[in-house]
Order: sequence, then C-alpha cells, then structure tokens
Amino acid sequence: ETGVTQTPRHLVMGMTNKKSLKCEQHLGHNAMYWYKQSAKKPLELMFVYSLEERVENNSVPSRFSPECPNSSHLFLHLHTLQPEDSALYLCASSQLAGGRSYEQYFGPGTRLTVT
Amino acid sequence: GQNIDQPTEMTATEGAIVQINCTYQTSGFNGLFWYQQHAGEAPTFLSYNVLDGLEEKGRFSSFLSRSKGYSYLLLKELQMKDSASYLCAVRSIEAAGNKLTFGGGTRVLVKP
Repeated sequence: ETGVTQTPRHLVMGMTNKKSLKCEQHLGHNAMYWYKQSAKKPLELMFVYSLEERVENNSVPSRFSPECPNSSHLFLHLHTLQPEDSALYLCASSQLAGGRSYEQYFGPGTRLTVT
Repeated sequence: GQNIDQPTEMTATEGAIVQINCTYQTSGFNGLFWYQQHAGEAPTFLSYNVLDGLEEKGRFSSFLSRSKGYSYLLLKELQMKDSASYLCAVRSIEAAGNKLTFGGGTRVLVKP
C-alpha cells in the first residue's frame, strides 16, 4: 500500500537543527493529519487539516509548525526540538463527505531521534 | 473529553480465538474504529462500527454496544502474523475534521 508516503523514514537531529517532515497522499482525500507515537503512550493527534485549512491544533508546542500547501501534501517543520520529542511521527489522510466517517489511512511514519 | 481503555497485552495460541475489549467515554459518539499495527509499521484499518451489533470480516469481527460504551475485536483462527498491537479509536461528532482519539493499544502475542 503506497497510498500515503512519508519522508524521511528516519531522522536524527540536534536540538539546534531545523528540519522538515514530508507527507504525500495519493488517495484523493481532503483531510490530512499529523500524529505523534511515543513508546507506551497512545497515538497523540497533533494537527488536522480539512480542505487545506487547519481545524485542530492540540496544544502542540510552537517548535512544531505544520504546513499544508494543497490537499495532497503535508509538512511538519521542526526547530529547536527537545530530546523528549523523539518519537514516531505518523501522517494520515481521510475523506470527509456529508458527515460520514471514513477511515484514516496512515503513512509508514518518520522515526525521529533528537540528540 | 474522551477516555478509552483497553488491556495492555494479551497472549494466545495459534489457532485459538482472542477477544480484545475496549471501553470508552465520549460525548457525541460518532463511530469506533479498530486498527492493527505491526512493530515499526503504520496502523492499518480493520473495522468500523457506528451502530450496535457485530460486524464480521473474515477472521476478524468487531462488536459495539453504544449504551455500554463498549466494543470488542474478535480474532479467530489465530495466525502467527496476527502478533501485533490493536488500537481502538473513537470519533466524536463534536470533533472537527474526522478527529479520532486512540486508546493505548493492546499488544497481542501469538505463540505456536
């Protein structure tokens, strides 16, 4: 399944670096999401974009900055991260239509390590 | 807010049946999802329930009782490849953008 792709798959960065995570969906969906998955913790929703407009920001620190230039692409810009930000970052997409719930499709994730 | 509980870990034997329970508390319930996640991989969609009852898909079935805030995922004829984490997620009608809230996941270990 290559419906949702993420790059890079692995990233090691220092606390003073700036990097970006990229997500692309090839499913024609109109909503995209960023999640953080840390060890032994539930998947945490970070950001939601619906029709390229941010509709949810779950009190995420400003060192994480999302960008959604179009319905197929989603970025997560990272700067001055902390070691506790090390986690698997998952992108997902879904279709929103007439209030019906459609399942979310996940990308393979970016394993981020902050040193 | 929302609260979702599921067991942390379960062990079962190949060929057997395992039932993973999920209880939730939410306002404006609008659907419950089950996902499977193998170690180091993306979660993949298994099932969706929005009305009470049982949904069957091959070896996997999912049940929902909205009045009890309860769901289970039933895995039959277990295979070694079923060893994975199983995530319960709830959608609220009050949540914009099809937002899901996930439980902590149940790690299932299938033994020969």
